[in-house]
Amino acid sequence: DADVTQTPRNRITKTGKRIMLECSQTKGHDRMYWYRQDPGLGLQLIYYSFDVKDINKGEISDGYSVSRQAQAKFSLSLESAIPNQTALYFCATSKTGANTGELFFGEGSRLTVL
Amino acid sequence: AQKITQTQPGMFVQEKEAVTLDCTYDTSDPSYGLFWYKQPSSGEMIFLIYQGSYDQQNATEGRYSLNFQKARKSANLVISASQLGDSAMYFCAMRENRAGGTSYGKLTFGQGTILTVHP
Repeated sequence: DADVTQTPRNRITKTGKRIMLECSQTKGHDRMYWYRQDPGLGLQLIYYSFDVKDINKGEISDGYSVSRQAQAKFSLSLESAIPNQTALYFCATSKTGANTGELFFGEGSRLTVL
Repeated sequence: AQKITQTQPGMFVQEKEAVTLDCTYDTSDPSYGLFWYKQPSSGEMIFLIYQGSYDQQNATEGRYSLNFQKARKSANLVISASQLGDSAMYFCAMRENRAGGTSYGKLTFGQGTILTVHP
């Protein structure tokens, strides 16, 4: 089983619908992140959380909200989806104080907004 | 300002040859980390290699090495003896480590380079 699990893996929805992407991890990491990937733009940070009570906006937070329900769970919501939010979304984790501090990624959630 | 720049949208290499993927970065933080990730067509992100700004030697992990030139602010990835399975998108990323800075602890990614290995 994956250490960082994202659900759903694929979702097609309509403009104006509310969508939630969920992320859970079994790595015991304290830090969690949501990134979005668009062709030609690399990965852009939407929100990040360094612990359960710490939530921070990333580069492109407009139109998104998050909830850190527990150390292991970090969900991303699109309150009213629009077509330009069509993208591949990644959840990632890291551990404070780890030697390299690399991110461990989930498998991605592909969202299409029609 | 772009923090991470990958100037090669696409690269081609012959199987068994070496290839260098370029990455330059911009930071005023004396402490930072540089990362390379691989994204195959299946979409997952795979961590390849890490270089700390204070590391004296270039990082190596199997066929991957990082050519770190601090004064030039470059962190190129070298893949030796390319294999067909190396065909993928490659991302360079940086983490700035200065506590209290706006970029503290977060990874910033470049736009990626698509590598195609020909048989």
